[in-house]
Amino acid sequence: AQSVTQLDSHVSVSEGTPVLLRCNYSSSYSPSLFWYVQHPNKGLQLLLKYTSAATLVKGINGFEAEFKKSETSFHLTKPSAHMSDAAEYFCVVSRRTSGTYKYIFGTGTRLKVLA
Amino acid sequence: EPEVTQTPSHQVTQMGQEVILRCVPISNHLYFYWYRQILGQKVEFLVSFYNNEISEKSEIFDDQFSVERPDGSNFTLKIRSTKLEDSAMYFCASRDRGPSGNTIYFGEGSWLTVV
Repeated sequence: AQSVTQLDSHVSVSEGTPVLLRCNYSSSYSPSLFWYVQHPNKGLQLLLKYTSAATLVKGINGFEAEFKKSETSFHLTKPSAHMSDAAEYFCVVSRRTSGTYKYIFGTGTRLKVLA
Repeated sequence: EPEVTQTPSHQVTQMGQEVILRCVPISNHLYFYWYRQILGQKVEFLVSFYNNEISEKSEIFDDQFSVERPDGSNFTLKIRSTKLEDSAMYFCASRDRGPSGNTIYFGEGSWLTVV
């Protein structure tokens, strides 16, 4: 069965410093993995996705993530945090089932950016 | 850029009342989903829908819930007799069947408060 674990429920960084949001997955076959961001009182916006092409995936707003099969990880990074990055971030794994896809969410990581 | 739209953005309803949440998926998408997020909790799968029928549903999606695609554009979630524990943000999502067909796009959500 597929599942995803976000290791940190809260992360605080100072503006201008690097961001690391951790995600580990379990999957019985090659997974598709996604990161979504949810700003306060907003919907879920796709940041980036991995679908078995390049292992280093670049997304919007300067974010990127690296798929590491040996570590079953898909951590989200950004070199320099901006105040507007403060939001909740969800790691998602997709599973194919009965001809369709099901999307399994991690518990989320709330990113706080300090001035 | 095409997007999933949801109405209403907020709704307050009395316990026992029927609620219909509406969604307009991205126009060429074929697969539709409802997820919910109770305040402070993880995003949970409710139901997936394809070709005018339910593909999969979770344990949460009991007889009080139903989905419908009444015309070529809308996708609705009905809760027949709301309970206090139905208070949550409800997200509609859709995806295509093409090469990027396993990427799911979410709406901004409908906040439902049951009092």
